[in-house]
Amino acid sequence: AQSVTQLDSQVPVFEEAPVELRCNYSSSVSVYLFWYVQYPNQGLQLLLKYLSGSTLVKGINGFEAEFNKSQTSFHLRKPSVHISDTAEYFCAVSTQEGGSQGNLIFGKGTKLSVKP
Amino acid sequence: EAGVTQFPSHSVIEKGQTVTLRCDPISGHDNLYWYRRVMGKEIKFLLHFVKESKQDESGMPNNRFLAERTGGTYSTLKVQPAELEDSGVYFCASSRRRYTEAFFGQGTRLTVV
Repeated sequence: AQSVTQLDSQVPVFEEAPVELRCNYSSSVSVYLFWYVQYPNQGLQLLLKYLSGSTLVKGINGFEAEFNKSQTSFHLRKPSVHISDTAEYFCAVSTQEGGSQGNLIFGKGTKLSVKP
Repeated sequence: EAGVTQFPSHSVIEKGQTVTLRCDPISGHDNLYWYRRVMGKEIKFLLHFVKESKQDESGMPNNRFLAERTGGTYSTLKVQPAELEDSGVYFCASSRRRYTEAFFGQGTRLTVV
């Protein structure tokens, strides 16, 4: 079975500071990796995804993530955050094999709070 | 292109009543997923349709939940009878292919009192 662990439930940070949101996963089969963001009173929006190829993935709004297979991690980073980045961020995986292929398994989410 | 649409956005019902949630996926997306987030917990998979067929319903909590996707277009999720523990946000998502990005709706917040 697969699982996703987001190590921080809340991350407060000042505006223009760098941020890293951590995500580790567990799986016995190959996975695809995703980061989704939920802004207040909105649905989930895809930030970025790793399907194959380069392990450094760039997404929208200046975010990037690096897939590290040996450490089973997919941490999300942004060099300089804005107030508008305040939201809840979800790491998710889906398997490449089996009947549950395509179904997303989510972490519990990390609430990023950007302060002026 | 219209996104995934869910309604109602909010629903408050009494325990024992029936509620039906609706999801309209992006046009042309054969794959449709339902997820649920109970307060304080992670978002969990409920079921997956490919066109009108249920591909995987392993996440459905019990037989009080019934999902349909007639004609392979919109989908409904009925809860009958509703219990307090059914409260949460129900998300619908659709994708063109199974392992590519899924586009999510804004969710339906269900409160059972």
